[in-house]
Amino acid sequence: ETGVTQTPRHLVMGMTNKKSLKCEQHLGHNAMYWYKQSAKKPLELMFVYSLEERVENNSVPSRFSPECPNSSHLFLHLHTLQPEDSALYLCASSQDNPGLGYSPLHFGNGTRLTVT
Amino acid sequence: SQQGEEDPQALSIQEGENATMNCSYKTSINNLQWYRQNSGRGLVHLILIRSNEREKHSGRLRVTLDTSKKSSSLLITASRAADTASYFCATKGTGGSYIPTFGRGTSLIVHP
Repeated sequence: ETGVTQTPRHLVMGMTNKKSLKCEQHLGHNAMYWYKQSAKKPLELMFVYSLEERVENNSVPSRFSPECPNSSHLFLHLHTLQPEDSALYLCASSQDNPGLGYSPLHFGNGTRLTVT
Repeated sequence: SQQGEEDPQALSIQEGENATMNCSYKTSINNLQWYRQNSGRGLVHLILIRSNEREKHSGRLRVTLDTSKKSSSLLITASRAADTASYFCATKGTGGSYIPTFGRGTSLIVHP
């Protein structure tokens, strides 16, 4: 059982579609993260929010647009994606400011995205 | 940029044997964390070791850290089939990016 919930678990979308991934954390944490996990590649950090403010944007293409309306919710808006964007998208949260880096990340189970 | 790199990429053992995975990193770190990921699931934090610590235990897990060699190892003793998963190390640097960065992971299969 994880305190970080991601929906949907699976998503298939065409290249012209617009969709959103949702993440909700029930842990009272202050920071939230989006990671991308592709086969045989390291986990790629995409975005970090601390207290609802974006503190890291790791050179992610503009077809990915994050939104953090409050400290418990994080969205990833997707539009005009490419087949190479197919991956497992993981959301995580941590208790402290990312700059401290002492508290572990708590991950959701991810959204398996397939772009056709 | 990627910091930690796990070795081996894949490990296959029999139940009851010990499993050892290694992590090497490039720059000075503040701490190093180990995570586990079951197939199709998110990562789960296992253990954090700080740069001034050399060894840490948690149940059947033993983590060592050698900052002079910039390496860490994760030992799982008396492995079980349920330990089958991928294992990742994550490092937090002392400067620059403060976000933990992950390697490609070690895929462990424990045969019953």
